[in-house]
Amino acid sequence: QKEVEQNSGPLSVPEGAIASLNCTYSDRGSQSFFWYRQYSGKSPELIMFIYSNGDKEDGRFTAQLNKASQYVSLLIRDSQPSDSATYLCAVNPGTGGSYIPTFGRGTSLIVHP
Amino acid sequence: NAGVTQTPKFRILKIGQSMTLQCAQDMNHNYMYWYRQDPGMGLKLIYYSVGAGITDKGEVPNGYNVSRSTTEDFPLRLELAAPSQTSVYFCASSSLGGDQPQHFGDGTRLSIL
Repeated sequence: QKEVEQNSGPLSVPEGAIASLNCTYSDRGSQSFFWYRQYSGKSPELIMFIYSNGDKEDGRFTAQLNKASQYVSLLIRDSQPSDSATYLCAVNPGTGGSYIPTFGRGTSLIVHP
Repeated sequence: NAGVTQTPKFRILKIGQSMTLQCAQDMNHNYMYWYRQDPGMGLKLIYYSVGAGITDKGEVPNGYNVSRSTTEDFPLRLELAAPSQTSVYFCASSSLGGDQPQHFGDGTRLSIL
């Protein structure tokens, strides 16, 4: 069974700090990786995706992928109170299978002023 | 651009009643999904569809049915509502390909009393 693991948190960081969110996955053949942000009472929204090993930066967000170690992380620089939300990691299987992602349970992030 | 539209946003049902949760997307996406999310939990896949006329069970299909007669619409049917089906239901869609993210609707908050 494909699994995606995230620390449920909450992860509490002060405003302006770097928040580091981690995700590990069991399917070694996984090809694409997504981070969604979900505010309380709202639906998930895509904030980052990454397909290749290494780092991918988009504004204050950096996604990091290490396929050999089977983990993907999300760094949020200069964290703001508006970043307080639950962050969901989603992993899509490799080619040849149905494109059904596996979601982690999410990490709750709290950014305090 | 409406994206993924879910109706209704809220609903209260009595035990044993039936209802259909509507989902429509205007992005010409092949893949559509139904998830439920219980408080403090991650997303659990109920059913998915890879195209019109094709549906398949996800992780928690019992008590639900779906149909996909068009590319745009993917309704979810609850036949005999039970308290265990109290949850928030999200519909999502994605274009063909394992490297594509999901687009979520705003959700339907359903209570069974």
